[in-house]
Amino acid sequence: EAQVTQNPRYLITVTGKKLTVTCSQNMNHEYMSWYRQDPGLGLRQIYYSMNVEVTDKGDVPEGYKVSRKEKRNFPLILESPSPNQTSLYFCASSSIRQGKGNNEQFFGPGTRLTVL
Amino acid sequence: QKEVEQDPGPLSVPEGAIVSLNCTYSNSAFQYFMWYRQYSRKGPELLMYTYSSGNKEDGRFTAQVDKSSKYISLFIRDSQPSDSATYLCACWDSWGKLQFGAGTQVVVTP
Repeated sequence: EAQVTQNPRYLITVTGKKLTVTCSQNMNHEYMSWYRQDPGLGLRQIYYSMNVEVTDKGDVPEGYKVSRKEKRNFPLILESPSPNQTSLYFCASSSIRQGKGNNEQFFGPGTRLTVL
Repeated sequence: QKEVEQDPGPLSVPEGAIVSLNCTYSNSAFQYFMWYRQYSRKGPELLMYTYSSGNKEDGRFTAQVDKSSKYISLFIRDSQPSDSATYLCACWDSWGKLQFGAGTQVVVTP
């Protein structure tokens, strides 16, 4: 089954304790991206990657790191989490080949993070 | 100022009515326009995907894009209670930057 998986689904942590949220896709997609969703603000892009070893900042990259060492994986790293990073996080992937429907972004199930 | 603006609602309509949703955007680099539906506690799922100005129909859903006025719309005909969800517009510039609107909550009452 084609899918994007994220782990963990729920996480409660404390300020300053490094954490990693994993994201993996099995569709051989070149493009992967991380978003955070907050009430009233919608989905905001954190980082994206057009291919292996290529990453770029989205709208809200501060406090986050990513890496793209393999095509299927795109982990999100919070080196020193703070309470304002409490949010719902989504990973997504898509093909970048031009053509009808090729650029549909497939979203993971989400990770609800609480930083105390 | 956000590059994609969308009224957050909520928008409440009776079953069978037409739901009208819209967004405006400010970045001329956006080339692809999408509408996603998101149910509570779920990730967004793609509903409609358009590239050029004009209309696109898919069943009960019609997406409109007017690039000259930077305005995108989604219409849902014969709305059903199962259409109750949050609808998000999204604009993509093909270089990787994807901007979402804030999402409009739609409630279809039986």
